Amino acid sequence: NAGVTQTPKFQVLKTGQSMTLQCAQDMNHNSMYWYRQDPGMGLRLIYYSASEGTTDKGEVPNGYNVSRLNKREFSLRLESAAPSQTSVYFCASREPGTGLPGVFGSGTQLSVL
Amino acid sequence: RKEVEQDPGPFNVPEGATVAFNCTYSNSASQSFFWYRQDCRKEPKLLMSVYSSGNEDGRFTAQLNRASQYISLLIRDSKLSDSATYLCVDSGGSNYKLTFGKGTLLTVNP
Repeated sequence: NAGVTQTPKFQVLKTGQSMTLQCAQDMNHNSMYWYRQDPGMGLRLIYYSASEGTTDKGEVPNGYNVSRLNKREFSLRLESAAPSQTSVYFCASREPGTGLPGVFGSGTQLSVL
Repeated sequence: RKEVEQDPGPFNVPEGATVAFNCTYSNSASQSFFWYRQDCRKEPKLLMSVYSSGNEDGRFTAQLNRASQYISLLIRDSKLSDSATYLCVDSGGSNYKLTFGKGTLLTVNP
């Protein structure tokens, strides 16, 4: 009964380093999402994937890339990390058209020094 | 205009009080709305869905006013454990995107 699993939970990077945040869901949901959350800014959508094989930009996509590897997995990549990307990142999934809400992973706290 | 707007608070209320949060949305084609609760340093978790007819779950009541494009959450008989940030969510006209308000911080005091 895992739901949405994110890894890692914590990460510290130096400016310019790259990394990939992993997200997997076991609920057979078609849509998956990546958000970042900063103090006073709420949850902002980075990228989403409405269904397997599609990805779309959200509100704050610059500096990020995503891959919808298969129906279960949706990864977020920072190619060259910047201090402005210090944030808490959440992955979520849902089944659109059902009226059912999104389920979130437990988050990744990322610090870029 | 931001897609989903909430009063950020903070709201500080005594135990037993009734408190109400409002949220406005800009997309008239939006289909589904939700209220989430987020505790400090945790992921958001669904509190309740919002239906056009209004819905109630124990001490919590959610309502949707499509004409004025706002949703509301009413908490009766507040408990200390209700202290959290409450987020309103709009699933958008396409029903794919989930757009969050910035959240309203509630602190219930003994």
